[in-house]
Amino acid sequence: EVQLVESGGGLVQPGGSLRLSCAASRFTFNDYWMAWVRQTPGKGLEWVASIKYDGSEMFYVDSVKGRFTISRDNAKYSLYLQMDSLRDADTAVYYCARDDRGPWPFDSWGQGTLVTVFS
Amino acid sequence: DIQMTQSPSTLSTSVGDRVTITCRASQNINSWLAWYQQKPGKAPKLLIYKASNLESGVPSRFSGSGSGTQFTLTISSLQPDDFATYYCQQYHSYSYTFGQGTRLEVK
Repeated sequence: EVQLVESGGGLVQPGGSLRLSCAASRFTFNDYWMAWVRQTPGKGLEWVASIKYDGSEMFYVDSVKGRFTISRDNAKYSLYLQMDSLRDADTAVYYCARDDRGPWPFDSWGQGTLVTVFS
Repeated sequence: DIQMTQSPSTLSTSVGDRVTITCRASQNINSWLAWYQQKPGKAPKLLIYKASNLESGVPSRFSGSGSGTQFTLTISSLQPDDFATYYCQQYHSYSYTFGQGTRLEVK
């Protein structure tokens, strides 16, 4: 069974930075697109960013462009999300998700990591 | 961006009922539509992809239909494990968007 384990969430002040990680296992990581999806009580589910299997293409939701960077290390079976210039509106549970072939639905998800931006 | 609108937001229902949830896209997305189930404190689970294709392991009481801008998720006979929140998602382009969710509650 596919396993995705997020880490790196926590409390941060507005304007601060945080780096999320997702450790993947039990599948061939470099065969798949990967994504970050976040969820807030008020806005529901929101796709944040996607990255191609070889890291050559990235896509972002408009609200995080220029502030967030998605990356991956296929040798380490790891996905990352560098979040800079954080805002209150970025407070959410962040999920790592697997995307079979981009664009495609997310067939596996991690358990999520909570990011809270507070002043 | 493509907007996804689900209805209803909440549905009071009972075990054994036939349940239908509707999702409307703001523009034509062909059949690039997925449905997810989410339970409290858990990640979403993929149920249906490409509007009507059942994900492996998903019970056959779940079905999806539609194309273009109008889609439905149907649960033929609601089971106790099905009380959850359901989301539609379009993947017509890389700017994926989700519906706001439909919560099934016990009548």
